[in-house]
Amino acid sequence: GDSVTQTEGQVTVSESKSLIINCTYSTTSIAYPNLFWYVRYPGEGLQLLLKVITAGQKGSSRGFEATYNKETTSFHLQKASVQESDSAVYYCALGDRGNNNRIFFGDGTQLVVKP
Amino acid sequence: EAAVTQSPRNKVTVTGGNVTLSCRQTNSHNYMYWYRQDTGHGLRLIHYSYGAGNLQIGDVPDGYKATRTTQEDFFLLLELASPSQTSLYFCASSDRASAETLYFGSGTRLTVL
Repeated sequence: GDSVTQTEGQVTVSESKSLIINCTYSTTSIAYPNLFWYVRYPGEGLQLLLKVITAGQKGSSRGFEATYNKETTSFHLQKASVQESDSAVYYCALGDRGNNNRIFFGDGTQLVVKP
Repeated sequence: EAAVTQSPRNKVTVTGGNVTLSCRQTNSHNYMYWYRQDTGHGLRLIHYSYGAGNLQIGDVPDGYKATRTTQEDFFLLLELASPSQTSLYFCASSDRASAETLYFGSGTRLTVL
């Protein structure tokens, strides 16, 4: 089946420091999956942060980047310098074109940025 | 910008109660989804739909029914609510699945006493 594993629980980073949230995926589909990062700010619904549908490509948005690595089945989220406004829950997700086009989410990682 | 509206925002009911969560999207998307969000479990798919009158079973369907009355409206029904259904519920829509962006509502927090 399909699954997504990401950095567990909470990550605390000081403002202006770098961030990495790990994400690895597993799929039994013959098709390479589409990969996403979603973000949920307090009191709001999830919104798309970035997506990559081609292996080897990098997606970027709002200073965040993630590279689709099919060799290591990873899609880590990185930012060089975080801001307090980046505090939110981040979800890695996989879209399986060979499994009724289902989308599978990781458990979410809470990012807390300290001023 | 896609708009997905959920109601109510918060709901408290008792064990055995009957609850309906509503979701409306105004962007003519074909796909709609109901998820629940629990600490340590991420988002889990309850039911989804490809269009009006269509229903598909997700990963955690027990205790839930759903109905897609129009392309815009998707309802989640808990006919005999239990405390294990206390959760944060999200509705989402997309034009197609897999490669397409999901647009989420702001969520409904349900408490079953």
